[in-house]
Amino acid sequence: DADVTQTPRNRITKTGKRIMLECSQTKGHDRMYWYRQDPGLGLQLIYYSFDVKDINKGEISDGYSVSRQAQAKFSLSLESAIPNQTALYFCATSASGGQPEDTQYFGPGTRLTVL
Amino acid sequence: QKEVEQDPGPLSVPEGAIVSLNCTYSNSAFQYFMWYRQYSRKGPELLMYTYSSGNKEDGRFTAQVDKSSKYISLFIRDSQPSDSATYLCAMSARTSNTGKLIFGQGTTLQVKP
Repeated sequence: DADVTQTPRNRITKTGKRIMLECSQTKGHDRMYWYRQDPGLGLQLIYYSFDVKDINKGEISDGYSVSRQAQAKFSLSLESAIPNQTALYFCATSASGGQPEDTQYFGPGTRLTVL
Repeated sequence: QKEVEQDPGPLSVPEGAIVSLNCTYSNSAFQYFMWYRQYSRKGPELLMYTYSSGNKEDGRFTAQVDKSSKYISLFIRDSQPSDSATYLCAMSARTSNTGKLIFGQGTTLQVKP
C-alpha cells in the first residue's frame, strides 16, 4: 500500500461549489503539506502543518483552508471553487529530525477541474 | 523574480546521451539542495540530496552545487528512456527549522530510444 494516499484522484466540479481533498499517510511523519502544481509554475505551497495543533499558511493560501484531523490526516478545502483553482494538488509529508530532515514524500496527486 | 529559476524545457535527447539539468537561485541562505523526479501522473520522488557545496554521485546521477554562483546541476550519464520525466530542483534554507522547500518550475526530459 502507498505511504501517502490522496482522495479523490480526479474531480470535476462547478464554480462556487465547496470541495474537500483528503490526504492520509502511514509513514508516521508529523509534518504535512499541501501544494498545487500548474504548468510552468512548479509546486507552490498552500498550507503546511508541523503537528495537529500547528497549521501555517504557505505562499498561496487565499481561497483555501485546511484541517489536520489527526497526525495521519490533513485535508484541504476550497470553500467556493473558482476556475483558476484548476490544477494538480499534491499532499506531502516529512519527518522532523529525520535524515535528511527536509525530505518530503509526495502522494499521487488529485487532478481538480473547476468549470 | 522567482527565488529558484529552472528552464522548463522540454529537453529531448537520444538514448545514451549525457544530460545536464540546471537551476539558479537568489537566496544565499539556501543550504540543502534536492532533485526530485516526477513521472507523468505521479507525485515527485526524491532523487538526490546535497548539503552545501560540492558533488554527490549515485549511479548514473551526479548532483553539483556551486554556492558562490548560486547554481546547481544534475547530470545523468548514459541516459535511458526510463529517465524520461520532469525533474524538479528544490532548496531549503533551514531557518527556524521550518523544513519548507522552494521548488523550481521543473524541466521535462524526454530520452528517445
